[in-house]
Amino acid sequence: DAGVTQSPTHLIKTRGQQVTLRCSPKSGHDTVSWYQQALGQGPQFIFQYYEEEERQRGNFPDRFSGHQFPNYSSELNVNALLLGDSALYLCASSSRGWGQPQHFGDGTRLSIL
Amino acid sequence: AQSVSQHNHHVILSEAASLELGCNYSYGGTVNLFWYVQYPGQHLQLLLKYFSGDPLVKGIKGFEAEFIKSKFSFNLRKPSVQWSDTAEYFCAVRGGGSQGNLIFGKGTKLSVKP
Repeated sequence: DAGVTQSPTHLIKTRGQQVTLRCSPKSGHDTVSWYQQALGQGPQFIFQYYEEEERQRGNFPDRFSGHQFPNYSSELNVNALLLGDSALYLCASSSRGWGQPQHFGDGTRLSIL
Repeated sequence: AQSVSQHNHHVILSEAASLELGCNYSYGGTVNLFWYVQYPGQHLQLLLKYFSGDPLVKGIKGFEAEFIKSKFSFNLRKPSVQWSDTAEYFCAVRGGGSQGNLIFGKGTKLSVKP
């Protein structure tokens, strides 16, 4: 059991559409990070949320946005989808203390047609 | 900018062979180093981590890694692999003091022949 749950598991969209992915962190964790994993690549950091604010951001355009709720769950929103957005989107949660490792969910497989 | 290089894309070994997967990183300051494993159909799991202290780190399932600061390396080793070690292995680095983001290598796929 990963402890971090993501939904949906798979999603198919067309170019130009918008998508929302959801993540519930592991119990006791208050920080959520999102990663994009393209086929054959390692995960790439999108952004991190803590106390309902975006704290860090990777090199992703503004089409990628997020939100964290008071219960620490989080959403990733992507607007104006491009074919290149097809990937596995991973959510990772951790505790805020220094050096705490991140625990990953199973991911959402997003396919853009 | 931080980056991580994993030297091998795909490694094929027979059971009982020894394993060493290379990982080099580029970052000038204090780093936290990680190895994650992704078994087929499963989520990324933490194998081991290095923050400070003894540069030889032992992880789960008999894996270990050695941090060599002068070489900016954090190679993963296992003396004798099993078929169940077939998976993809990712090296990751996080800048010391940072709360957040991990920089991952592209991963090494390990196939162990029974």
